[in-house]
Amino acid sequence: ETGVTQTPRHLVMGMTNKKSLKCEQHLGHNAMYWYKQSAKKPLELMFVYNFKEQTENNSVPSRFSPECPNSSHLFLHLHTLQPEDSALYLCASSLLPRMMNTEAFFGQGTRLTVV
Amino acid sequence: GIQVEQSPPDLILQEGANSTLRCNFSDSVNNLQWFHQNPWGQLINLFYIPSGTKQNGRLSATTVATERYSLLYISSSQTTDSGVYFCAVLSGYALNFGKGTSLLVTP
Repeated sequence: ETGVTQTPRHLVMGMTNKKSLKCEQHLGHNAMYWYKQSAKKPLELMFVYNFKEQTENNSVPSRFSPECPNSSHLFLHLHTLQPEDSALYLCASSLLPRMMNTEAFFGQGTRLTVV
Repeated sequence: GIQVEQSPPDLILQEGANSTLRCNFSDSVNNLQWFHQNPWGQLINLFYIPSGTKQNGRLSATTVATERYSLLYISSSQTTDSGVYFCAVLSGYALNFGKGTSLLVTP
Protein backbone atom coordinates (compact mmCIF):
# COMPACT_ATOMS: atom_id res chain seq x y z
CA GLU A 1 0.00 0.00 0.00
CA THR A 2 1.02 3.55 -0.56
CA GLY A 3 -0.08 6.88 0.84
CA VAL A 4 -2.04 7.37 4.03
CA THR A 5 -4.41 4.63 5.17
CA GLN A 6 -7.08 4.95 7.85
CA THR A 7 -9.06 2.21 9.54
CA PRO A 8 -11.86 1.64 10.07
CA ARG A 9 -13.63 3.55 7.31
CA HIS A 10 -16.88 3.64 9.26
CA LEU A 11 -17.52 3.31 12.98
CA VAL A 12 -20.69 3.40 15.06
CA MET A 13 -20.19 3.50 18.81
CA GLY A 14 -22.22 4.07 21.93
CA MET A 15 -21.44 6.86 24.33
CA THR A 16 -19.99 4.43 26.88
CA ASN A 17 -17.78 2.55 24.42
CA LYS A 18 -14.03 2.80 23.93
CA LYS A 19 -12.68 2.57 20.41
CA SER A 20 -9.57 3.55 18.49
CA LEU A 21 -8.96 5.00 15.06
CA LYS A 22 -5.78 4.02 13.25
CA CYS A 23 -3.72 5.89 10.68
CA GLU A 24 -0.67 4.56 8.87
CA GLN A 25 1.47 6.39 6.35
CA HIS A 26 3.81 4.73 3.86
CA LEU A 27 5.42 7.93 2.58
CA GLY A 28 8.40 8.17 4.90
CA HIS A 29 6.99 11.35 6.41
CA ASN A 30 7.96 12.74 9.80
CA ALA A 31 4.81 14.58 10.86
CA MET A 32 1.25 13.35 11.31
CA TYR A 33 -1.99 15.14 12.07
CA TRP A 34 -5.59 14.53 13.12
CA TYR A 35 -8.37 16.71 11.69
CA LYS A 36 -12.10 16.70 12.41
CA GLN A 37 -14.72 17.57 9.80
CA SER A 38 -18.22 18.08 11.16
CA ALA A 39 -21.23 18.61 8.93
CA LYS A 40 -21.38 22.10 7.47
CA LYS A 41 -18.08 23.11 9.12
CA PRO A 42 -14.53 23.56 7.83
CA LEU A 43 -11.88 21.03 8.73
CA GLU A 44 -10.54 21.62 12.22
CA LEU A 45 -7.05 20.70 13.34
CA MET A 46 -7.02 18.49 16.44
CA PHE A 47 -3.48 17.21 17.06
CA VAL A 48 -0.02 17.51 15.54
CA TYR A 49 2.88 15.09 15.97
CA ASN A 50 6.39 15.83 14.72
CA PHE A 51 8.95 13.02 14.96
CA LYS A 52 6.56 11.16 17.33
CA GLU A 53 6.30 14.12 19.72
CA GLN A 54 3.01 15.95 20.18
CA THR A 55 3.51 19.59 19.32
CA GLU A 56 -0.06 20.82 19.16
CA ASN A 57 -3.30 20.07 20.95
CA ASN A 58 -5.91 22.39 19.58
CA SER A 59 -8.02 22.56 22.75
CA VAL A 60 -9.40 19.10 22.15
CA PRO A 61 -11.47 17.51 24.97
CA SER A 62 -9.73 14.78 26.92
CA ARG A 63 -12.19 12.15 25.69
CA PHE A 64 -9.99 12.18 22.57
CA SER A 65 -6.54 10.76 23.31
CA PRO A 66 -3.89 10.56 20.56
CA GLU A 67 -0.97 8.19 20.43
CA CYS A 68 1.99 8.17 18.07
CA PRO A 69 4.24 5.14 18.68
CA ASN A 70 6.44 5.89 15.65
CA SER A 71 6.57 8.23 12.68
CA SER A 72 4.45 5.89 10.55
CA HIS A 73 1.52 5.25 12.88
CA LEU A 74 -0.99 7.50 14.59
CA PHE A 75 -3.93 6.49 16.73
CA LEU A 76 -6.89 8.36 18.14
CA HIS A 77 -8.37 6.68 21.20
CA LEU A 78 -12.00 7.51 21.89
CA HIS A 79 -13.94 7.12 25.13
CA THR A 80 -17.22 8.43 26.53
CA LEU A 81 -17.95 10.42 23.39
CA GLN A 82 -21.00 12.59 22.83
CA PRO A 83 -23.36 12.55 19.83
CA GLU A 84 -21.92 15.90 18.72
CA ASP A 85 -18.57 14.15 18.23
CA SER A 86 -20.04 12.40 15.22
CA ALA A 87 -17.93 13.55 12.28
CA LEU A 88 -15.42 12.56 9.64
CA TYR A 89 -11.96 12.17 11.20
CA LEU A 90 -9.10 12.67 8.80
CA CYS A 91 -5.45 11.82 9.25
CA ALA A 92 -2.69 13.62 7.35
CA SER A 93 1.07 13.43 7.03
CA SER A 94 3.85 15.67 5.74
CA LEU A 95 7.55 15.16 5.16
CA LEU A 96 8.56 18.16 7.21
CA PRO A 97 7.13 19.36 10.51
CA ARG A 98 4.44 22.04 10.47
CA MET A 99 3.73 21.40 6.76
CA MET A 100 6.36 24.07 6.12
CA ASN A 101 7.22 24.20 2.40
CA THR A 102 5.97 20.66 2.03
CA GLU A 103 2.89 18.99 0.63
CA ALA A 104 0.46 17.30 3.01
CA PHE A 105 -1.42 14.11 2.16
CA PHE A 106 -4.66 12.88 3.70
CA GLY A 107 -6.16 9.49 4.37
CA GLN A 108 -9.64 8.40 3.31
CA GLY A 109 -11.09 9.29 6.69
CA THR A 110 -13.12 7.46 9.34
CA ARG A 111 -16.77 8.39 9.46
CA LEU A 112 -17.76 8.18 13.13
CA THR A 113 -21.30 8.06 14.43
CA VAL A 114 -21.90 8.26 18.18
CA VAL A 115 -25.27 6.92 19.29
CA GLY B 1 -4.33 32.38 12.42
CA ILE B 2 -4.53 33.08 8.72
CA GLN B 3 -8.10 33.39 7.47
CA VAL B 4 -9.12 31.62 4.28
CA GLU B 5 -12.16 32.63 2.24
CA GLN B 6 -13.40 30.71 -0.76
CA SER B 7 -15.88 31.75 -3.40
CA PRO B 8 -18.37 30.93 -4.66
CA PRO B 9 -19.74 28.66 -1.90
CA ASP B 10 -21.83 26.70 -4.41
CA LEU B 11 -21.58 26.23 -8.15
CA ILE B 12 -23.68 24.30 -10.64
CA LEU B 13 -22.28 23.70 -14.12
CA GLN B 14 -23.35 21.85 -17.19
CA GLU B 15 -20.89 19.27 -18.45
CA GLY B 16 -18.32 20.87 -20.72
CA ALA B 17 -18.40 24.29 -19.07
CA ASN B 18 -15.39 26.06 -17.56
CA SER B 19 -15.17 27.54 -14.07
CA THR B 20 -12.91 29.54 -11.78
CA LEU B 21 -12.78 29.04 -8.03
CA ARG B 22 -11.16 31.68 -5.85
CA CYS B 23 -9.31 31.54 -2.54
CA ASN B 24 -8.39 34.70 -0.60
CA PHE B 25 -6.09 34.53 2.41
CA SER B 26 -5.26 37.11 5.04
CA ASP B 27 -1.45 36.89 5.29
CA SER B 28 1.62 35.65 3.43
CA VAL B 29 1.87 31.86 3.20
CA ASN B 30 4.57 29.18 2.85
CA ASN B 31 2.16 26.46 1.86
CA LEU B 32 -1.05 26.58 -0.15
CA GLN B 33 -2.82 23.50 -1.40
CA TRP B 34 -5.98 22.79 -3.35
CA PHE B 35 -7.93 19.62 -2.62
CA HIS B 36 -10.96 17.88 -4.07
CA GLN B 37 -13.12 16.03 -1.55
CA ASN B 38 -15.00 13.21 -3.18
CA PRO B 39 -18.45 12.00 -2.05
CA TRP B 40 -16.81 9.40 0.20
CA GLY B 41 -14.90 12.05 2.10
CA GLN B 42 -11.39 11.53 0.83
CA LEU B 43 -9.29 14.64 0.22
CA ILE B 44 -7.47 14.31 -3.06
CA ASN B 45 -4.44 16.52 -3.66
CA LEU B 46 -4.82 18.74 -6.69
CA PHE B 47 -2.04 21.30 -6.36
CA TYR B 48 0.69 22.34 -3.97
CA ILE B 49 1.06 25.95 -5.07
CA PRO B 50 2.36 28.59 -2.62
CA SER B 51 3.15 30.76 -5.67
CA GLY B 52 3.12 30.64 -9.45
CA THR B 53 1.08 28.64 -11.91
CA LYS B 54 0.67 24.90 -12.41
CA GLN B 55 -1.37 22.77 -14.76
CA ASN B 56 -2.51 19.18 -14.57
CA GLY B 57 -4.73 18.10 -17.43
CA ARG B 58 -8.00 20.03 -17.37
CA LEU B 59 -7.12 21.68 -14.08
CA SER B 60 -4.77 24.56 -13.48
CA ALA B 61 -4.04 26.85 -10.56
CA THR B 62 -2.43 30.22 -10.02
CA THR B 63 -1.34 31.78 -6.75
CA VAL B 64 -0.45 35.46 -6.54
CA ALA B 65 1.18 35.51 -3.15
CA THR B 66 1.77 39.26 -3.07
CA GLU B 67 -1.95 39.88 -3.55
CA ARG B 68 -2.98 37.00 -1.28
CA TYR B 69 -5.20 34.97 -3.55
CA SER B 70 -5.22 31.76 -5.50
CA LEU B 71 -7.42 30.60 -8.39
CA LEU B 72 -8.35 27.10 -9.47
CA TYR B 73 -9.47 26.71 -13.08
CA ILE B 74 -11.52 23.75 -14.24
CA SER B 75 -11.96 23.44 -17.98
CA SER B 76 -14.35 21.19 -19.91
CA SER B 77 -15.94 20.03 -16.66
CA GLN B 78 -17.11 16.44 -16.25
CA THR B 79 -19.63 14.92 -13.87
CA THR B 80 -16.74 13.29 -12.01
CA ASP B 81 -15.50 16.78 -11.09
CA SER B 82 -18.46 17.13 -8.71
CA GLY B 83 -17.58 17.44 -5.04
CA VAL B 84 -16.17 20.03 -2.71
CA TYR B 85 -13.00 21.94 -3.52
CA PHE B 86 -10.94 23.19 -0.62
CA CYS B 87 -8.16 25.71 -0.45
CA ALA B 88 -5.86 25.39 2.56
CA VAL B 89 -2.94 27.50 3.75
CA LEU B 90 -0.30 26.97 6.39
CA SER B 91 -1.21 28.72 9.62
CA GLY B 92 0.67 27.88 12.79
CA TYR B 93 1.39 24.15 12.90
CA ALA B 94 -0.70 22.90 9.99
CA LEU B 95 -3.06 23.69 7.14
CA ASN B 96 -6.02 25.93 7.79
CA PHE B 97 -8.94 25.21 5.48
CA GLY B 98 -11.52 27.41 3.86
CA LYS B 99 -15.19 26.43 3.88
CA GLY B 100 -14.92 25.07 0.36
CA THR B 101 -16.76 25.43 -2.94
CA SER B 102 -19.38 22.77 -3.55
CA LEU B 103 -19.43 21.96 -7.27
CA LEU B 104 -22.14 20.01 -9.06
CA VAL B 105 -21.61 19.17 -12.72
CA THR B 106 -24.78 18.03 -14.47
CA PRO B 107 -24.92 15.90 -17.62
